[in-house]
Amino acid sequence: SQTIHQWPATLVQPVGSPLSLECTVEGTSNPNLYWYRQAAGRGLQLLFYSVGIGQISSEVPQNLSASRPQDRQFILSSKKLLLSDSGFYLCACTGLGEKLFFGSGTQLSVL
Amino acid sequence: AQSVAQPEDQVNVAEGNPLTVKCTYSVSGNPYLFWYVQYPNRGLQFLLKYITGDNLVKGSYGFEAEFNKSQTSFHLKKPSALVSDSALYFCAVSFKAAGNKLTFGGGTRVLVKP
Repeated sequence: SQTIHQWPATLVQPVGSPLSLECTVEGTSNPNLYWYRQAAGRGLQLLFYSVGIGQISSEVPQNLSASRPQDRQFILSSKKLLLSDSGFYLCACTGLGEKLFFGSGTQLSVL
Repeated sequence: AQSVAQPEDQVNVAEGNPLTVKCTYSVSGNPYLFWYVQYPNRGLQFLLKYITGDNLVKGSYGFEAEFNKSQTSFHLKKPSALVSDSALYFCAVSFKAAGNKLTFGGGTRVLVKP
């Protein structure tokens, strides 16, 4: 079955600094990959999804970008973080039977 | 566009009592429906799904959900709640024509009191 590695687990960054969150997947090939953000204590918002290398779809306009340089690698980035970028970020991939497998998440605090 | 609604922000239930978490959806075509659970300080875990077939779906940890097409609902249920079921529960919908992107509800916090 799929395993998703996501790091770091927690991150504290100053406003205006760059961001790079990495996600790698094991146990599958050519997965659909996703970045979600969860506001404190509440719902999940889809930020980006990718159906293949170099193919990125953005769901909401924002200060973030995503890249997929390899089949099982998905990176979330920002050139300059904003306070509003704080949140819990989850990487996910689709597995058999359409269900999503999630990474353990990254808690980002922008100060 | 697909959407999911979880009308209750929080559900409180006594241990041993039945638990229901409500979910309604809106989607064109035949939906795929999911429930996920998030325990404190952890990532999301898959509970169960409806793709096709029997409307009553059984999942992990004794949870089940019933797909009701006429009411466009997919409520999550457990006959006897445990304190350890206290968590944040998310309903989600996708359909194949949309590339299987999941749209999540806002989440419902379940608090099971001993």
